[in-house]
Amino acid sequence: GESVGLHLPTLSVQEGDNSIINCAYSNSASDYFIWYKQESGKGPQFIIDIRSNMDKRQGQRVTVLLNKTVKHLSLQIAATQPGDSAVYFCAERGGTALIFGKGTTLSVSS
Amino acid sequence: DTAVSQTPKYLVTQMGNDKSIKCEQNLGHDTMYWYKQDSKKFLKIMFSYNNKELIINETVPNRFSPKSPDKAHLNLHINSLELGDSAVYFCASSQGRSTGELFFGEGSRLTVL
Repeated sequence: GESVGLHLPTLSVQEGDNSIINCAYSNSASDYFIWYKQESGKGPQFIIDIRSNMDKRQGQRVTVLLNKTVKHLSLQIAATQPGDSAVYFCAERGGTALIFGKGTTLSVSS
Repeated sequence: DTAVSQTPKYLVTQMGNDKSIKCEQNLGHDTMYWYKQDSKKFLKIMFSYNNKELIINETVPNRFSPKSPDKAHLNLHINSLELGDSAVYFCASSQGRSTGELFFGEGSRLTVL
């Protein structure tokens, strides 16, 4: 079946670096994408979303890029901090359900 | 005040038992969800209710039965527990069904022995 997935299961960066977390999706009909952050022992937390009529959206220290041609989504975190260490999920709205990808674990070292 | 609260946080039980997990949200949202997260962190939708009406019922064994007594509560009852039911179960809520901004609880870790 079609699903949302991520390129890499883990990403390690140094504090202060920029992080880029990638996600590939296969459902070309998807028109709404979301990034979530899950810290250890907690539930996922909404970070930012983007609709398919946009190719870029910025939040506080985060930017989401959408490339519909290659069905690729990325989350960029500027000046990564130790508090950014978590599992990051991309998700798509498929009908009425939010379908999550497999997650990338971001580790930030000082 | 916790926005989405689940109880219990941890649950250890024997195969064949019946257990329930409760969820309450104080955000005034009209849509609630149950997600299951397996040991590989994969999150999968199980059920969704909108204004107490079931709108999503994924391929879940009928041993799992959700109940929504009102908009603020969505409970999950599991009969005849199996080893494969061990997971973290997350409750979430949202304002409307079309938003992607879900508010999750902290999860209930179920271990079936």
